[in-house]
Amino acid sequence: DAKTTQPNSMESNEEEPVHLPCNHSTISGTDYIHWYRQLPSQGPEYVIHGLTSNVNNRMASLAIAEDRKSSTLILHRATLRDAAVYYCILRESGANSKLTFGKGITLSVRP
Amino acid sequence: DSGVTQTPKHLITATGQRVTLRCSPRSGDLSVYWYQQSLDQGLQFLIQYYNGEERAKGNILERFSAQQFPDLHSELNLSSLELGDSALYFCASSPRDSGPTEAFFGQGTRLTVV
Repeated sequence: DAKTTQPNSMESNEEEPVHLPCNHSTISGTDYIHWYRQLPSQGPEYVIHGLTSNVNNRMASLAIAEDRKSSTLILHRATLRDAAVYYCILRESGANSKLTFGKGITLSVRP
Repeated sequence: DSGVTQTPKHLITATGQRVTLRCSPRSGDLSVYWYQQSLDQGLQFLIQYYNGEERAKGNILERFSAQQFPDLHSELNLSSLELGDSALYFCASSPRDSGPTEAFFGQGTRLTVV
């Protein structure tokens, strides 16, 4: 499986934008970039995914570098509820591909 | 609510025992995944099923087994339990088995082995 690298932790202020980086220099052309988050005492929750183009949904935006070797998850206005562990995951497009979680980045949000 | 139901929510059992964890996927989802999360190991992928067939295997011990039934629910069987098996066990489901598909996670079963 191609690997991702994320900082261990990040802090943000409430109501400010947050940019969570992810490096995936060994990404293959058919790997999708997924982001999940896990709130305390809960199961992981899907946030967003993309292949080549930037993506927006109600939760976040995903900015993908032109060479696809890195991506950034953007939370436009952080709330206290956004404090969680955020996982950047590469998933192959073919059958039998695994959804493998790394250590993720722990986001803290200051009031 | 993700639509994925896991039972039981909590389970306390003794070493050497056997337990079964159950997962009901979201309606219509064909793929089921099992994960183990302990404090020191993070989220570890165990196994994936798609429409009743095993599709991918991760770090699943030989003492553990799983299956997906014709009605698409899945069970994870853990036997000869050890203290180190104490963890949160998550089940997830998705419509497909790969690529651009969301996985929806249940709230987990917290297993405590004493």
